[in-house]
Amino acid sequence: QVQLVQSGAEVKKPGASVKVSCKASGYTFIDYYIHWVRQAPGQGLEWMGWINPHSGGTYYAQKFQGRVTITRDTSINTAFMELSSLRSDDTAVYYCARAGGGFGEFFFDYWGQGPLVTVSS
Amino acid sequence: EIVLTQSPGTLSLSPGERATLSCRASESVYGNYLAWYQQRPGQVPRLLIYDASRRATGIPDRFSGSGSGTDFTLTISRLEPEDFAIYYCQIYGSSRSTFGQGTKVEIK
Repeated sequence: QVQLVQSGAEVKKPGASVKVSCKASGYTFIDYYIHWVRQAPGQGLEWMGWINPHSGGTYYAQKFQGRVTITRDTSINTAFMELSSLRSDDTAVYYCARAGGGFGEFFFDYWGQGPLVTVSS
Repeated sequence: EIVLTQSPGTLSLSPGERATLSCRASESVYGNYLAWYQQRPGQVPRLLIYDASRRATGIPDRFSGSGSGTDFTLTISRLEPEDFAIYYCQIYGSSRSTFGQGTKVEIK
């Protein structure tokens, strides 16, 4: 069965960086794009960007460009999302999600459990 | 960038009633590439509908999606207790993606 297992909750200070992992299993990792979506407490879903695990190509939402880096390690079927220069309003649950089809077919059929990243001094 | 506006913000209904949720885009959605998700409290979002009207695997047939262009609808024909949740629409079809702000379906 398809699973996306993410790393655990984090507490960071303002200005620091956080790196969240997303380990895929139950399917061929390089065949499906991985996206990152965040959700601040009590708020809606916010799309951040994606990686093509096959090529390593990435695309980021304009809001996060310059602060977010998405990478992958195909030897361990894992994608990573690093967000830098953290602010208090980056406090959120960070989900990875698998896109259900090829390029552009970016509906999300499987989601990770989403660790909470708390930014606080 | 396309903006999605969901209405109403909150829908108060009783079990067994029909729910109609709206998602309006600020411009026409390419290919009608629109999805709907359900998020119960404390849970991960779950894909219900993709390509505006295709039900995802394992989704009951009381959930249906319709619409095209700028106006899309999620209909729940008869609300079950487990359907009281927040519902989000999402557009895709290019490099970018966007979510609506959500509609909460609550028990009246």
